[in-house]
Amino acid sequence: GESVGLHLPTLSVQEGDNSIINCAYSNSASDYFIWYKQESGKGPQFIIDIRSNMDKRQGQRVTVLLNKTVKHLSLQIAATQPGDSAVYFCAEAVYNQGGKLIFGQGTELSVKP
Amino acid sequence: DAGVIQSPRHEVTEMGQEVTLRCKPISGHDYLFWYRQTMMRGLELLIYFNNNVPIDDSGMPEDRFSAKMPNASFSTLKIQPSEPRDSAVYFCASSFGQGSTEAFFGQGTRLTVV
Repeated sequence: GESVGLHLPTLSVQEGDNSIINCAYSNSASDYFIWYKQESGKGPQFIIDIRSNMDKRQGQRVTVLLNKTVKHLSLQIAATQPGDSAVYFCAEAVYNQGGKLIFGQGTELSVKP
Repeated sequence: DAGVIQSPRHEVTEMGQEVTLRCKPISGHDYLFWYRQTMMRGLELLIYFNNNVPIDDSGMPEDRFSAKMPNASFSTLKIQPSEPRDSAVYFCASSFGQGSTEAFFGQGTRLTVV
């Protein structure tokens, strides 16, 4: 049969609103969890990371929350701007694997002006 | 530093031909990664190097794929022979230090095999 490409989950928000992007991870042995942003035609770009022994970390306009009980990670973007429109990936890393990143599926964020 | 540099940006080749993708990591970075991105499979890690030595190549899909890092400033990913299902965007990334979570990605090479 014909193969069909995956469609990324999409989140559409109004400019100025807060955005929450969610991710489920699989490896309970991961030491770090990271969010990357990928704009069209570019490679992924690091946003923020969180160690596995933390449950919250804040950056500039972004907050990452980690819930190890349910293996869930979220990225909150405050006052979302048109420049935030991109695909956002969560990734996992194990410390002794030298930054080897295993990426999740990705969520496309679309910001409406 | 100009960041991670990949070449070519776009490559169109016929099935059966050899394809070589090139990468120059950021100077001083000791880890180098090759990723492949497709809509079907997302971002997949193919192989990574530490200090020019391949550490984990378990993501390399088949023997048709090979990667080398002859020195700290250059790596290649070769596909021979290429097939249409190899069509994807291939990214090279580099990072510094064992516990680094911040990998710096190049712009990618969009490969189309017809």
